[in-house]
Amino acid sequence: DSGVTQTPKHLITATGQRVTLRCSPRSGDLSVYWYQQSLDQGLQFLIQYYNGEERAKGNILERFSAQQFPDLHSELNLSSLELGDSALYFCASSARGVGSPLHFGNGTRLTVT
Amino acid sequence: AQKVTQAQTEISVVEKEDVTLDCVYETRDTTYYLFWYKQPPSGELVFLIRRNSFDEQNEISGRYSWNFQKSTSSFNFTITASQVVDSAVYFCALSELNTNAGKSTFGDGTTLTVKP
Repeated sequence: DSGVTQTPKHLITATGQRVTLRCSPRSGDLSVYWYQQSLDQGLQFLIQYYNGEERAKGNILERFSAQQFPDLHSELNLSSLELGDSALYFCASSARGVGSPLHFGNGTRLTVT
Repeated sequence: AQKVTQAQTEISVVEKEDVTLDCVYETRDTTYYLFWYKQPPSGELVFLIRRNSFDEQNEISGRYSWNFQKSTSSFNFTITASQVVDSAVYFCALSELNTNAGKSTFGDGTTLTVKP
């Protein structure tokens, strides 16, 4: 058990809809990362937060947004969903940032129909 | 820009064979970190090992060993006497100190199948 909690585990929704994925980092970890894993693109970095502030942005679509709250949990919001957004979304946390290994949650499997 | 290449998409071996997973990286930073993660069929991603750019000492942990060579920008992973439970996707990742705020860039992964 990595100590990172992601909910929900599975999500099935229709095109055009909006969903929110939630992540609670390991106790004491200040950094939260979101990654998207699809079959044809491997693990793609989306965004990173550190202690409530956005630290780095990757290939995150404008339809996607995220935030980290004062209690350090994070939410990833996906809107105007398309079939191609179907993927496994992972949240990870780390103690400091650079050099600290990532501890991943079990992921949220999103299926857009 | 940082980049990680895992040229082996899939590897299949028979139990008890040794297998080496290759990882080649590109970076302009002098300080960086390399990682290996394992993703078994159940789907979770598990951290295996971390190396920093100043520590080229190879490491052995049970049946696992890692060979870090800065001269060839490689960080290869060897499993000795493979077992069926080693079947998983293995990812190599790179994190740079001075750029990209420390985000980890992952290779595309190598799917290892160990047959009984």
